[in-house]
Amino acid sequence: DAGITQSPRHKVTETGTPVTLRCHQTENHRYMYWYRQDPGHGLRLIHYSYGVKDTDKGEVSDGYSVSRSKTEDFLLTLESATSSQTSVYFCAISDRDRGRTEAFFGQGTRLTVV
Amino acid sequence: DQQVKQNSPSLSVQEGRISILNCDYTNSMFDYFLWYKKYPAEGPTFLISISSIKDKNEDGRFTVFLNKSAKHLSLHIVPSQPGDSAVYFCAPTGGGADGLTFGKGTHLIIQP
Repeated sequence: DAGITQSPRHKVTETGTPVTLRCHQTENHRYMYWYRQDPGHGLRLIHYSYGVKDTDKGEVSDGYSVSRSKTEDFLLTLESATSSQTSVYFCAISDRDRGRTEAFFGQGTRLTVV
Repeated sequence: DQQVKQNSPSLSVQEGRISILNCDYTNSMFDYFLWYKKYPAEGPTFLISISSIKDKNEDGRFTVFLNKSAKHLSLHIVPSQPGDSAVYFCAPTGGGADGLTFGKGTHLIIQP
């Protein structure tokens, strides 16, 4: 299994509070991704990173920010959580520098905003 | 607008028979097509892929077929086994840094 750890695995938070989810990898891959999975929507890309301090927006980035200060860590922040951000969040890594297209996923974080 | 469509939300197949999962796409820039399998409460796991320069790729019980002119691909599983019951996602990519675009998934149920 690829060395990806997401924390926390479960979180319940109140509307309006900030929340940070962490993704940690031990594979030294440059590319990292945050997706959310919702019923009827599959997985949708929130933000991605192609190196330290290099990040960009995905399909559903509104209300989210990311930071990558180290190769191994990619943080996803909900500045002010809303009920629509209740979802399962997945982090993924990819070794695109070696021509590999597949991404490897973490176990997910189930976030509930009440 | 959906770039990747998996039009069957669920599919029920008898154990030992063939399972065929379909995927249609609209983006001509996609050049690599991946399939992922997902069990409940777990992350998606990579299953098999195919490059746009091929029309078939086989790995054990799993075969992916690509019809570029129709912008259609399919995943065949034969024979189907109970452990194949999962949600399957089609996920093509155009090779950009933004990675994979996922379909909504097909829930495959293998009946004993």
